[in-house]
Amino acid sequence: SQTIHQWPATLVQPVGSPLSLECTVEGTSNPNLYWYRQAAGRGLQLLFYSVGIGQISSEVPQNLSASRPQDRQFILSSKKLLLSDSGFYLCAWRGHPNTGELFFGEGSRLTVL
Amino acid sequence: GEDVEQSLFLSVREGDSSVINCTYTDSSSTYLYWYKQEPGAGLQLLTYIFSNMDMKQDQRLTVLLNKKDKHLSLRIADTQTGDSAIYFCAESLNDYKLSFGAGTTVTVRA
Repeated sequence: SQTIHQWPATLVQPVGSPLSLECTVEGTSNPNLYWYRQAAGRGLQLLFYSVGIGQISSEVPQNLSASRPQDRQFILSSKKLLLSDSGFYLCAWRGHPNTGELFFGEGSRLTVL
Repeated sequence: GEDVEQSLFLSVREGDSSVINCTYTDSSSTYLYWYKQEPGAGLQLLTYIFSNMDMKQDQRLTVLLNKKDKHLSLRIADTQTGDSAIYFCAESLNDYKLSFGAGTTVTVRA
């Protein structure tokens, strides 16, 4: 069966520090992978998605970047965090290509102080 | 357009039915989805419905789709305390992306 994991689960970082959130998927090959951000009281905002190694599509101009160095690994990064980067970050992979449902990781809570 | 809208809060008595409503804008959406998020956790897929269907039932969950009005609803029968969570409606935009609503926080009171 397929599993998806994110880490760290919780992170408190000062403004201006770097960020690296990691996501890995097991039990599937060549998945579409996604990073969403959930801000308090708001829906999920799609940040990046990837259809393959080294292929990244950015949805929203921002202070973040994403990379996919391996088939089942998706990384969200920042060189210098802003206060507005605080939020709950969710990684997801796409299930059946026809029905298109996403399966989410446990989430990473980032607080920038 | 890529807007999915839902009411933000719903309070329901234990044992009653809950109905969560959602409107979407992309008439070409092939699938529509309902997700559940418990505190501090990721999103869990509850159910989805194909756009050529009017209704789908799965145990205590009933999804109704009115494609003409672009209206989707989720009914939870016999609501339990474990149903307290945030519920997200989502539509498929294309082969790669889903667009989510802001979520409806459902509170079940005894």
